[in-house]
Amino acid sequence: AQSVAQPEDQVNVAEGNPLTVKCTYSVSGNPYLFWYVQYPNRGLQFLLKYITGDNLVKGSYGFEAEFNKSQTSFHLKKPSALVSDSALYFCAVRDLPFSGGYNKLIFGAGTRLAVHP
Amino acid sequence: DGGITQSPKYLFRKEGQNVTLSCEQNLNHDAMYWYRQDPGQGLRLIYYSQIVNDFQKGDIAEGYSVSREKKESFPLTVTSAQKNPTAFYLCASSSSGRAWETQYFGPGTRLLVL
Repeated sequence: AQSVAQPEDQVNVAEGNPLTVKCTYSVSGNPYLFWYVQYPNRGLQFLLKYITGDNLVKGSYGFEAEFNKSQTSFHLKKPSALVSDSALYFCAVRDLPFSGGYNKLIFGAGTRLAVHP
Repeated sequence: DGGITQSPKYLFRKEGQNVTLSCEQNLNHDAMYWYRQDPGQGLRLIYYSQIVNDFQKGDIAEGYSVSREKKESFPLTVTSAQKNPTAFYLCASSSSGRAWETQYFGPGTRLLVL
């Protein structure tokens, strides 16, 4: 079965330091991977996705993610964290298609990022 | 949150009552989705619709119902059969439901039981 894991419930980083939020996946076939961010009491905002091609994907707000097929990982990174980056981050992987080819996403449980001044 | 609106922001349900959550999009997207978010569990799919007048159950459809009479609208009804409805409900849409497409989310509705 397709699955995605975010092994850390919370990540703490000092402002200005690099940050990494980890994601590993298990899929049959080629993975389609997504990162979203959620601020308190808000919907999810799309950050970036990997479909094919370059393993380093650049996204919104200075975030990037590295697809590593051998390690089945898709870690989210940012070179210099901001206090405003503090939020809940979700990794998602596309499931095998339902009949009709529907794009179901399987979400990880989320990682709370806290950036301290 | 783009062109997806959800209302109300907060909704209170009494025991035995059905309530309806609204989701509207102006993105001209064919596919729409409803997710439920509980603390520490990520998002779980309730229903999805790839096209008007068609919808399919997701992983946790019991106690919920939907309709898709217009392309822009995908309301979710939480029925009295849903015994634990307290959660944050998120509506999303994508262009046509294909695997590589991004899903865009609305701001959410928080449902509480009185």
